[in-house]
Amino acid sequence: AQSVTQPDIHITVSEGASLELRCNYSYGATPYLFWYVQSPGQGLQLLLKYFSGDTLVQGIKGFEAEFKRSQSSFNLRKPSVHWSDAAEYFCAVGSYGGATNKLIFGTGTLLAVQP
Amino acid sequence: DAGVTQSPTHLIKTRGQQVTLRCSPKSGHDTVSWYQQALGQGPQFIFQYYEEEERQRGNFPDRFSGHQFPNYSSELNVNALLLGDSALYLCASSARGEGYGYTFGSGTRLTVV
Repeated sequence: AQSVTQPDIHITVSEGASLELRCNYSYGATPYLFWYVQSPGQGLQLLLKYFSGDTLVQGIKGFEAEFKRSQSSFNLRKPSVHWSDAAEYFCAVGSYGGATNKLIFGTGTLLAVQP
Repeated sequence: DAGVTQSPTHLIKTRGQQVTLRCSPKSGHDTVSWYQQALGQGPQFIFQYYEEEERQRGNFPDRFSGHQFPNYSSELNVNALLLGDSALYLCASSARGEGYGYTFGSGTRLTVV
C-alpha cells in the first residue's frame, strides 16, 4: 500500500540556519511527490512537486527538494530559514486509481523558528 | 480570482446530529475532492466528485456522503456525528486532465461535542 512517512514530528531551527525536512514514501511505481505547507488555520499551499526528470526540484519561497529513488526519499531543503517559514509541512504522494487521483499525506512536520 | 471557498469556517455540533459543509471550487476547476484532517495528522482522502458523481472513495463509512452540483460546487454531509469526526475538513478543486493541480480551501473546523 502507498504510504508516506515523515519521521520528524517537530523541528526547531534558528533563523538563518539551513533546514532539511525528511520524507520517505512507499509506492509501487514512479511516484508523483509533493510538499505542502500549512500555516495555522489555513489550507494547504503547494511548495513544489516532482513528476519526472531532474531529481532536484525548485519550489516557491526558496525551497527545493531532491528525489532519491534508491532511498525512497523526497527531502525538503532551504538554505536559510526565515521566521515566516514557521508552519507545518506535509509530504504527499499522488495515487492514481481508476479514473481519479488522490493525495496520500504524511503526518506532517511542525517547524518552529527561533530568533 | 477567487480560490476555493469553504463554508462555514467553524462549526460546533452535538453527537448524533448531521452536518453539511460546502465548497465552491476555483474558477475553471470541475473536480472537487474532500479531505479530513484530524488534529496532529495529515489530511486523509474522503472522496472525489466530478460530473456530479462520486468517482473514488477513501476509507470512510457511509455516514460520509457528498454531492456535486451542475456549477461544480460540492457539499459534504456527515450523519450521526461521532466525537471522532471532529477535524478540519478541506476541500480541494482541480481541473480534469490536469492531474494533481489541486487548490485547497482553508477548511471548515468541525467540533463535535
